[in-house]
Amino acid sequence: EIVMTQTPLSSVVTLGQMASISCRSSQSLVGGDGHTYLSWLHLRPGQPPRVLIYKVSNRLSGVPDRFSGSGAGTDFTLTISRVEAEDVGVYYCVQATQSLSFGGGTQVEIK
Amino acid sequence: EVQLVGSGGGWVQPGGSLRLSCGASGVTFSDHDMDWVRQTPGKGLEWVGRSRNDVHSHSIEYGASVKGRFSISRDNSRNSLSLQMYSLKTEDTAIYYCLLWIAGVAYWGQGTQVTVSS
Repeated sequence: EIVMTQTPLSSVVTLGQMASISCRSSQSLVGGDGHTYLSWLHLRPGQPPRVLIYKVSNRLSGVPDRFSGSGAGTDFTLTISRVEAEDVGVYYCVQATQSLSFGGGTQVEIK
Repeated sequence: EVQLVGSGGGWVQPGGSLRLSCGASGVTFSDHDMDWVRQTPGKGLEWVGRSRNDVHSHSIEYGASVKGRFSISRDNSRNSLSLQMYSLKTEDTAIYYCLLWIAGVAYWGQGTQVTVSS
């Protein structure tokens, strides 16, 4: 089982400032086909998870360009370049290279 | 457009059973892997299990916490995925989501609430 370790547990950010979330996997997420199946999700109360980023750095259609993903192998980062009020909620990394496993989540709040 | 619609949630006593369904539209259902994932306030998101696509002979995998109690099946003729849950425990209380994978992107259903309580 691949274990995903996400930091920080929570982040309080000023509007317009940058936020970064890290995710580390217990083994490489490079699949047999050469792709790395690491995604980032955003959860808000009462709504299903929203996919922001897939395969490390690809933004899903409709996701603002202030969201970006980076990393390789076992270390990955989600960056929100200029936090807006609607970005509050819990963010999760998730790997789908071997079954499925999630990070513990990062609560983002506005200062 | 891919759409996933879940149904079958509700309240059940500990030790009871419940069956969830997920209907898909907008895709060739048999071509895609599908997952069940659950969300709890205390444990966040947890993988429940997976039904592989026809290339992988529709093999099934389960997460450790549900193996032996839950059963996943799919009906490609009806574009439907099911989750049969037995011997339910209070800790199975969660919102259950079905996911469908296309080229590394997970499409999520709206979720269905399952409450296990006496």
